[in-house]
Amino acid sequence: DIVLTQTPLSLSVTPGQPASISCKSSQSLLHSDGKTYLYWYLQRPGQPPQLLIYEVSIRFSGVPDRFSGSGSGTDFTLRISRVEAGDVGVYYCMQGLQLPKTFGQGTKLEIK
Amino acid sequence: EVQLLESGGGLVQPGGSLRLSCAASGFNLRTYVMNWVRQAPGKGLEWVSGITDGTGRTYYADSVKGRFTISRDNSKNTVYLQMNSLRAEDTAEYFCARDKSLHIWGQGTLVTVSS
Repeated sequence: DIVLTQTPLSLSVTPGQPASISCKSSQSLLHSDGKTYLYWYLQRPGQPPQLLIYEVSIRFSGVPDRFSGSGSGTDFTLRISRVEAGDVGVYYCMQGLQLPKTFGQGTKLEIK
Repeated sequence: EVQLLESGGGLVQPGGSLRLSCAASGFNLRTYVMNWVRQAPGKGLEWVSGITDGTGRTYYADSVKGRFTISRDNSKNTVYLQMNSLRAEDTAEYFCARDKSLHIWGQGTLVTVSS
C-alpha cells in the first residue's frame, strides 16, 4: 500500500497568517495518463470530510482561492494564504493512484 | 441537490452483522464509482470498499476482505455495505462518498461493535 506522511501533525495559526501542510508519498503518484492523483480534504469538527483540492492543484467547486495545492511525484503541499476562523479542523491528503486509497494521518489546524 | 444519506448503523455484538445503506438523491448513482470510508473514534480516515459504475466491480481493503460486501441497487439509487463477522476494531463512523475523488460525502452512520 502507498503510505502518505503528513507534517506537521498540528499547527496553530494566527488569523490572517499563512499555513502550509506537507504530504509525502512512499511512491510517485503520477499515473501513466499524465495525471497525479493526490487530493486534499478538510474535516471540520463534527462534519464529514470535504474535498478541497484534486489532482494536486485543482480547487474543487466553491473552494476559496486562499487554498492552493502544489507538488509533483512524491512531495506535495497544501497552502492557505490567509487563515480564517472557519479553516479549523483536520486536513488530510489522499492518494487515488492505486487501491486501496490511502490517507495521510491528518493535520489538525487550530486558531491562535 | 446532490446528497448522500447513510443509515443502518448501531450497536452490534462481536461476530454479528449489519447492513449499511447509502441513499443517493439528485443524481443517478449507477453512473458513478461509490465508496465506503470509515473513521474510528478520534482516528483518521480509512478507505473500506468501492464499487464501479457500469459493471459494478467491487474492491475492498484487506482489513475487511471476506467479511464485508458492497453492492448497489440501481432501482433504489442506493449502495449497501453488508458487514459480517464484525470485530471491535470495526467500530467507526462509516461514510459513503461519490466518485474516485470522494468529492461528495454523506453525514455518516456510527457502527459500534461491543459486547
